[in-house]
Amino acid sequence: QKEVEQNSGPLSVPEGAIASLNCTYSDRVSQSFFWYRQYSGKSPELIMSIYSNGDKEDGRFTAQLNKASQYVSLLIRDSQPSDSATYLCAVNAAHNDMRFGAGTRLTVKP
Amino acid sequence: GAVVSQHPSWVICKSGTSVKIECRSLDFQATTMFWYRQFPKQSLMLMATSNEGSKATYEQGVEKDKFLINHASLTLSTLTVTSAHPEDSSFYICSASEGAEQFFGPGTRLTVL
Repeated sequence: QKEVEQNSGPLSVPEGAIASLNCTYSDRVSQSFFWYRQYSGKSPELIMSIYSNGDKEDGRFTAQLNKASQYVSLLIRDSQPSDSATYLCAVNAAHNDMRFGAGTRLTVKP
Repeated sequence: GAVVSQHPSWVICKSGTSVKIECRSLDFQATTMFWYRQFPKQSLMLMATSNEGSKATYEQGVEKDKFLINHASLTLSTLTVTSAHPEDSSFYICSASEGAEQFFGPGTRLTVL
């Protein structure tokens, strides 16, 4: 079992819809959770961090964490074509031991 | 967020030569920096973890004599690809940790002819 699992996609949503990205992790002691966005040919960019159970909202982005079920998700409301990218889930089990998922490719169609 | 720079952004070199890539944290001190490699349409692959003032920790399968890492200060880590070959052509990305978060540099695209 991979440490951090994501559906590879591609996930395709129409412009204006909600995009839902999911991630599960295997290490129960994980404490920190992150979502990165990576455009084609570019390096990853941190867009959300979440550390406690529940929802965290930042603009059109909402991260959700459920430690009991070992999953973290990212919702993108009012999706725009500019949101089309690969989204990487990352989990930090211990100090500086960050594990990345393989990424989910999102396409937002105009 | 914190800013990490990389230099050069791209480099083309001949087979057998060595290439040095610099990674700098511009507005914070990074005790730990990381080096990743990414081939087209593939996932990030962690190559090594670099701690200031000590030897880097390499991931399994990464040749430490080929990929030399130096982390001489809290704001600078370097990766030297020695005797580069065409199969080393890739996108090399560094990151630096500030607290629990990691911030990535813009990456260096290496092409070995």
